[in-house]
Amino acid sequence: ETGVTQSPTHLIKTRGQQVTLRCSSQSGHNTVSWYQQALGQGPQFIFQYYREEENGRGNFPPRFSGLQFPNYSSELNVNALELDDSALYLCASSFRRGLEQFFGPGTRLTVL
Amino acid sequence: QQQVKQSPQSLIVQKGGISIINCAYENTAFDYFPWYQQFPGKGPALLIAIRPDVSEKKEGRFTISFNKSAKQFSLHIMDSQPGDSATYFCAASYQGAQKLVFGQGTRLTINP
Repeated sequence: ETGVTQSPTHLIKTRGQQVTLRCSSQSGHNTVSWYQQALGQGPQFIFQYYREEENGRGNFPPRFSGLQFPNYSSELNVNALELDDSALYLCASSFRRGLEQFFGPGTRLTVL
Repeated sequence: QQQVKQSPQSLIVQKGGISIINCAYENTAFDYFPWYQQFPGKGPALLIAIRPDVSEKKEGRFTISFNKSAKQFSLHIMDSQPGDSATYFCAASYQGAQKLVFGQGTRLTINP
């Protein structure tokens, strides 16, 4: 059974740029949720994708957007990067929007 | 009302001792309470979870105690080992909510 994978591991961008982060869900899982984890904090929910549609969104501006593909993998896109976007971005997969969510290793984004 | 409050922020326990981390919530709709373990540079890993129909759940050295009337739950790590040194997060959710609401985290250090 393959776990959740994310790419890239680390990323450095400058303010105003755009970034795309990628996630492959655990085999058998069809739901992907994205979280932002600032240093020393708990993860904060960004949004969830199920059946290729957004299925719930946290308190994040529209410049955070996402996609889910037919193979259940997902992308998180962030436009007009701000310094406060620097964080660990976590992807979690689950089965049919289930609450038992399994996290990937994350992508560390640094915005300069 | 969506918050989950976790304490203590940090905890030092001697090898072989019992580590106890506490969480409190306000939203009575929450009916799923997981605990996650996170090592530096890694994503959170699901340790154990409980539903409010039971007051205690044990898996190996890890036990969740749940007090529905007090809206509190706690993680007990028995016979704590240096390998347990990590940050622990409690979380809460309910079916249909999509997201997990995380506590602020507890940095646990087990001294050998």
